[in-house]
Order: sequence, then structure tokens, then C-alpha cells
Amino acid sequence: GENVEQHPSTLSVQEGDSAVIKCTYSDSASNYFPWYKQELGKRPQLIIDIRSNVGEKKDQRIAVTLNKTAKHFSLHITETQPEDSAVYFCAAPPSGGSYIPTFGRGTSLIVHP
Amino acid sequence: NAGVTQTPKFRILKIGQSMTLQCAQDMNHNYMYWYRQDPGMGLKLIYYSVGAGITDKGEVPNGYNVSRSTTEDFPLRLELAAPSQTSVYFCASSYLFEGPRGNEQFFGPGTRLTVL
Repeated sequence: GENVEQHPSTLSVQEGDSAVIKCTYSDSASNYFPWYKQELGKRPQLIIDIRSNVGEKKDQRIAVTLNKTAKHFSLHITETQPEDSAVYFCAAPPSGGSYIPTFGRGTSLIVHP
Repeated sequence: NAGVTQTPKFRILKIGQSMTLQCAQDMNHNYMYWYRQDPGMGLKLIYYSVGAGITDKGEVPNGYNVSRSTTEDFPLRLELAAPSQTSVYFCASSYLFEGPRGNEQFFGPGTRLTVL
């Protein structure tokens, strides 16, 4: 099955700084890469996703980039705000005949005012 | 649409008791999943279903059971509750998650379970 590694596990930034979280995957056939945000005590929710036919997708202050050759994709948050503090998960779709998607272990982002 | 709903929101069980966590979705999604999330940890897949009548084990199925008699409902049964099952349980659904053509997973609000 798919192997997804997410780094860093914890990221602490000052308000206004940029934050970057990276995930690597193993199955070169994968072509859908979502990022989920989970605020404390809440459910994970999709914030942005990308398919393999594009290299970058942007939505206001967040962007996702994909490098299919190197098999990694990254979440970029610019001008961070305290409300960006949360746990962020990447995911990769099922592979090898499996129906099970694979989530990264999560990154705890802390934005200090 | 209500999306994915879960009941109850909170529950305290005594060791050895049983209960069913309810999950329902109104988006006509064929794929449904149960995850557990321990404090400060990621999501671990317990069971999943690719359609009514079809279920399969995930990463941590021991101590749990599921059924999927309709497209909408996917209850999770805990038999003989143990302290190790103290966790937050999330149900999720998606329309299509087959091979590399994955789609967004929609999560329910979660059930916080404590076993004492």
C-alpha cells in the first residue's frame, strides 16, 4: 500500500510568517493529494487539494505544490494568523488495489501572536 | 444537506459494557470509514465499507464490529469495552475513492468515548 511521510510534526511560527509542511508518498500512480485542517476539538476538514495534472493550486493564503518526479507535495500558508493554529494532515489515495487512503501523521502548527 | 452525522457526541462506558456508535450520511456516498484518534495522535482506520453489504477491516479492527445495511448508515459496535478504547471516533464518507482517483473525505463531528 501507499506510504506517506509528513514533516515536520510540529511547526511554530510568528504571526505573519510563512509555514510549509511537506509530505512524501510512494506510489507513482497516485494523482489526488488533499490537505485537511483539524482545529482543537473539531473534525478534520478539507482545505485544499490538488490533482496530478497541475503543479500548483492556490486559494488566498494557502497553496499546494506537487512534484510528481520527486513524489512529494507541500502545503504553503503565507501571512499566518493565530486562527491558522491547528493540526494539518496530508493524505494519499488508495494504491495497489486497496480501498484505504493513507493519512500522514499530522503537523501541529502553532502561530504566535 | 446535514452531511455526516454521528451520535452520541460523548459517552462514558464502564469496562465490559457494549455500545453502538451511530453514523449517517445524506450525500449518497458509497465509501464510508471509521477512524479513531487518540490524544495528540493521527487517524487510525478501524473499518471501512465500499457499499451496502460490503465491509472490511482497517488497521485497528480488534474489539469492534460494523455493518452496512444501507448506503446511508454505518454503525460501529463496541463489544466488551476496554480502557484502551478510550478515544475520539470519527466517521467519514466519500463519493469515490477507488485507486488513484481519490476524492474528498467528509468527516462527522466525532464521538468522544471514555471507558472507565
